[in-house]
Amino acid sequence: EAQVTQNPRYLITVTGKKLTVTCSQNMNHEYMSWYRQDPGLGLRQIYYSMNVEVTDKGDVPEGYKVSRKEKRNFPLILESPSPNQTSLYFCASSLGLASDTQYFGPGTRLTVL
Amino acid sequence: GENVEQHPSTLSVQEGDSAVIKCTYSDSASNYFPWYKQELGKGPQLIIDIRSNVGEKKDQRIAVTLNKTAKHFSLHITETQPEDSAVYFCAARGGGTSYGKLTFGQGTILTVHP
Repeated sequence: EAQVTQNPRYLITVTGKKLTVTCSQNMNHEYMSWYRQDPGLGLRQIYYSMNVEVTDKGDVPEGYKVSRKEKRNFPLILESPSPNQTSLYFCASSLGLASDTQYFGPGTRLTVL
Repeated sequence: GENVEQHPSTLSVQEGDSAVIKCTYSDSASNYFPWYKQELGKGPQLIIDIRSNVGEKKDQRIAVTLNKTAKHFSLHITETQPEDSAVYFCAARGGGTSYGKLTFGQGTILTVHP
């Protein structure tokens, strides 16, 4: 089944404790992206990647890191999480700019205490 | 950067009525405008999209219109059904060097009453 998977789905952590949210897609997509969703603000793009080893900042990259060492995986790293990073996070992928349909993962709900 | 405004934030209709959601964008170089539907507990799912060289696109009960001059685009749902109840997001993709960026509107909670 073609899908985007995220792990973990739920995470409660404390300020300053490094964490990684994994994202994997099995559709051989070139483009991958991370968003955060907050009430009243819609989805805001954190980082995106057009291909392996190519990453770019979205609208809200501060406090996050990403890497794209292989095509299928695009982990989101919070080196020192803070309470304002409490949010619902979505990973998405698309074949590439030639086919713009983005497929979203199920989401990761993160709480930083 | 791009700014997308979406209205209304909530919309309540009776089954069978039409629903219209409107979005405006700021970057005249934007060239791709998708609409996503998000059901409770799930990720957004694309329902329809339109490119800047097209003024209108229709898919069964759903249509999208684009006015490039005014920089606004709208989602039209006809003959609404209870299963259309969800959160709807518009988005705009940047042009030029920003073509990888996708900016979303704030979302519209649509409720269709049986």
